[in-house]
Amino acid sequence: GAVVSQHPSRVICKSGTSVKIECRSLDFQATTMFWYRQFPKQSLMLMATSNEGSKATYEQGVEKDKFLINHASLTLSTLTVTSAHPEDSSFYICSARERGGPAGELFFGEGSRLTVL
Amino acid sequence: LAKTTQPISMDSYEGQEVNITCSHNNIATNDYITWYQQFPSQGPRFIIQGYKTKVTNEVASLFIPADRKSSTLSLPRVSLSDTAVYYCLVGERGATNKLIFGTGTLLAVQP
Repeated sequence: GAVVSQHPSRVICKSGTSVKIECRSLDFQATTMFWYRQFPKQSLMLMATSNEGSKATYEQGVEKDKFLINHASLTLSTLTVTSAHPEDSSFYICSARERGGPAGELFFGEGSRLTVL
Repeated sequence: LAKTTQPISMDSYEGQEVNITCSHNNIATNDYITWYQQFPSQGPRFIIQGYKTKVTNEVASLFIPADRKSSTLSLPRVSLSDTAVYYCLVGERGATNKLIFGTGTLLAVQP
């Protein structure tokens, strides 16, 4: 099946620094990717929809200037957490559907655990 | 987007059949029902998807009544490795259509 890969899987950073997480669709093209955030023992919360070649669409309550999303190609979307603080520590997960794919299955990456000290 | 309601948790024993029911009273005509499985510190994994009646694959069955206001995921003969959170989602299948996760059901399988 289709594979979505995230990098890094784990990152620890100091408060105030910025962290970039990459999401790649390895064997299919994705015009749209989705970024989720998940806190311990909670469900996934949709943060934003990443659109190739255009601005991302953010969910209500998600700061677009803090969570910068860039979808520069049909196989890569990046999420940058700017000026990270301890409350940004979370599990970030990206997902995508294959462009033109028949089944509508949403493929998820392995997730990236961010710890802000 | 249709909202889903699932039991928070369920317990089972190895070898039993487990049925997890999801309510989605406001499902729209174009919405499909999809179930995902998530293990700790991993991204969700697709289990099964359906629109109506019954769908079966190598790991599960999905039962959807005629009114489509609910669905039941059936896992035959669960094992310890099936301990995970199971999410029921409803939404359109288009590439740009987002999916909103509900609370999910934590299935705990015991020996």
